[in-house]
Amino acid sequence: GEDVEQSLFLSVREGDSSVINCTYTDSSSTYLYWYKQEPGAGLQLLTYIFSNMDMKQDQRLTVLLNKKDKHLSLRIADTQTGDSAIYFCAESKMNRDDKIIFGKGTRLHILP
Amino acid sequence: GAGVSQSPSNKVTEKGKDVELRCDPISGHTALYWYRQSLGQGLEFLIYFQGNSAPDKSGLPSDRFSAERTGGSVSTLTIQRTQQEDSAVYLCASSLRDLLPGMAFFGQGTRLTVV
Repeated sequence: GEDVEQSLFLSVREGDSSVINCTYTDSSSTYLYWYKQEPGAGLQLLTYIFSNMDMKQDQRLTVLLNKKDKHLSLRIADTQTGDSAIYFCAESKMNRDDKIIFGKGTRLHILP
Repeated sequence: GAGVSQSPSNKVTEKGKDVELRCDPISGHTALYWYRQSLGQGLEFLIYFQGNSAPDKSGLPSDRFSAERTGGSVSTLTIQRTQQEDSAVYLCASSLRDLLPGMAFFGQGTRLTVV
């Protein structure tokens, strides 16, 4: 089946690390993604990871993939007020007819 | 165009009226998606077009909702006899699956308010 689940809210103090978690059910997923939606805007691709990777780091962002547990996480180091947004986890496969499956999104709130 | 364009950006309509929302995807993108995002709710999948394949309509909430994609490009989402619960932001996205499956480009959305 196809399902991507995330917690709906996360509050983090400015300067701390944020960890946003996601679980998925389709073990044949090939690509996993994190999208960011800032207030009043559409979604933008933030980062992605192939299923044959365990970790990907890009500046303040670290993506961890536990394929055995079908668990994906996004860590944002030194969280800033500009990181306040909704973060969506998504999965897709190589089959060209397969659609992207999105989670419901996690709203990240930054505390002063 | 440079990005995914949606029109109108805002639409206020009376309950019971029909509305049409338009999406212009990025030129050459074979996949097109419609999503709905309600206040305080997550992203709700509505419909997916991929090339010449039959569209995946599994997310359409009722038979009042329909969508077309003409010539493999522009798409129109139609809501008939609108209800107040249809009020939401409707997002369109397109992708070129041969490039990076799952790399979708989103429009800014159409905010629909049914009064």
